[in-house]
Amino acid sequence: DARVTQTPRHKVTEMGQEVTMRCQPILGHNTVFWYRQTMMQGLELLAYFRNRAPLDDSGMPKDRFSAEMPDATLATLKIQPSEPRDSAVYFCASGLDIPPYEQYFGPGTRLTVT
Amino acid sequence: AQKITQTQPGMFVQEKEAVTLDCTYDTSDPSYGLFWYKQPSSGEMIFLIYQGSYDQQNATEGRYSLNFQKARKSANLVISASQLGDSAMYFCAMRGGNQGGKLIFGQGTELSVKP
Repeated sequence: DARVTQTPRHKVTEMGQEVTMRCQPILGHNTVFWYRQTMMQGLELLAYFRNRAPLDDSGMPKDRFSAEMPDATLATLKIQPSEPRDSAVYFCASGLDIPPYEQYFGPGTRLTVT
Repeated sequence: AQKITQTQPGMFVQEKEAVTLDCTYDTSDPSYGLFWYKQPSSGEMIFLIYQGSYDQQNATEGRYSLNFQKARKSANLVISASQLGDSAMYFCAMRGGNQGGKLIFGQGTELSVKP
């Protein structure tokens, strides 16, 4: 069955390094979301695309984070430079921009910045 | 501002019994949607059920039902006949009418099903 895929599943990196996370949304879905989950903050929206156009990235630290959709089958989230406080699980989700608007989540990327 | 509140950090239920997980929300949008997701220990987020603000009937999906009380701004999840596999974190989420597809999540409730 169709699933959102994310790579890598786990990433350990040193502070200051660049991190790139990739997401393949479900074929035919026209909305893509990036969420971050931490114990302290819970699940937070970082960025949101509709038909590959960025609609909302207000939850994303602009100085170090960037999100793009080079094509309909790939979404990327980049952190440069990474910091220990970026350690979290990053989820990508995709959906259709019609009711009921449910979002299907990928398995997540667990990022650890040392 | 929109807000989702889940006041139960943890819940226990005996296997085969029903359990209600609480969720209250706050929004000024006349049109909105409410969602429940399950996150087992493996970490994935699994969509369970959806309720639209204009839906006349409470949503049901198998053993899951959503007790939607619009005037009280509550959207509680009811799981009937609990199973050991229901042990997980459960998140309530809301999409506002003017928020596009953006979801705002509650802090979650950890459900433990006892044999």
